[in-house]
Amino acid sequence: AQKVTQAQTEISVVEKEDVTLDCVYETRDTTYYLFWYKQPPSGELVFLIRRNSFDEQNEISGRYSWNFQKSTSSFNFTITASQVVDSAVYFCALSEEQGGSEKLVFGKGTKLTVNP
Amino acid sequence: DTEVTQTPKHLVMGMTNKKSLKCEQHMGHRAMYWYKQKAKKPPELMFVYSYEKLSINESVPSRFSPECPNSSLLNLHLHALQPEDSALYLCASSQVPGHFSNQPQHFGDGTRLSIL
Repeated sequence: AQKVTQAQTEISVVEKEDVTLDCVYETRDTTYYLFWYKQPPSGELVFLIRRNSFDEQNEISGRYSWNFQKSTSSFNFTITASQVVDSAVYFCALSEEQGGSEKLVFGKGTKLTVNP
Repeated sequence: DTEVTQTPKHLVMGMTNKKSLKCEQHMGHRAMYWYKQKAKKPPELMFVYSYEKLSINESVPSRFSPECPNSSLLNLHLHALQPEDSALYLCASSQVPGHFSNQPQHFGDGTRLSIL
């Protein structure tokens, strides 16, 4: 079965620090998809990135960057120069197919607090 | 603002009440999802609708009854709920059903449900 592990339960940083959120996954599929979602206190899950298993190129989007390494089954997320607005719970997720539909398996989440 | 709209945002109901949660999207998405999220836990999939047909039911108790009357609307009918059903209920949609659709799930703000 698919599994996603986010070992960091909570992280607290001071504004402008860089922070990396770890994600390790387990799957037997050769083709799979990994995601990061952000959940602010308001509750909505905000999609950040989707990466397929054949694309190991790292990605950068503004202050966000993602490091995908199949060799270590990791998909880590770095926020550069963190801001208070980055405070949220961040979920890493892995998709699996079930009944012709996509099912997301989420990690337990990492709560990030950025202090001014 | 999210493009997936959920109503109501908050709901308090007794164990004998019947109520419904509503989810609407006008992005032309053909897959819709219900998730349940307890406090400090990740979202857990409940149901998936693919082209208005139920494709995944994650062994959800029958006191939760989903309905997809058209491609834009998803309902969750509630009856005889238990206190442990108190949670945030999230709706999501994606453009094309299926594991390899290459489209992320977009989430609504959720309905915070409290059972007295």
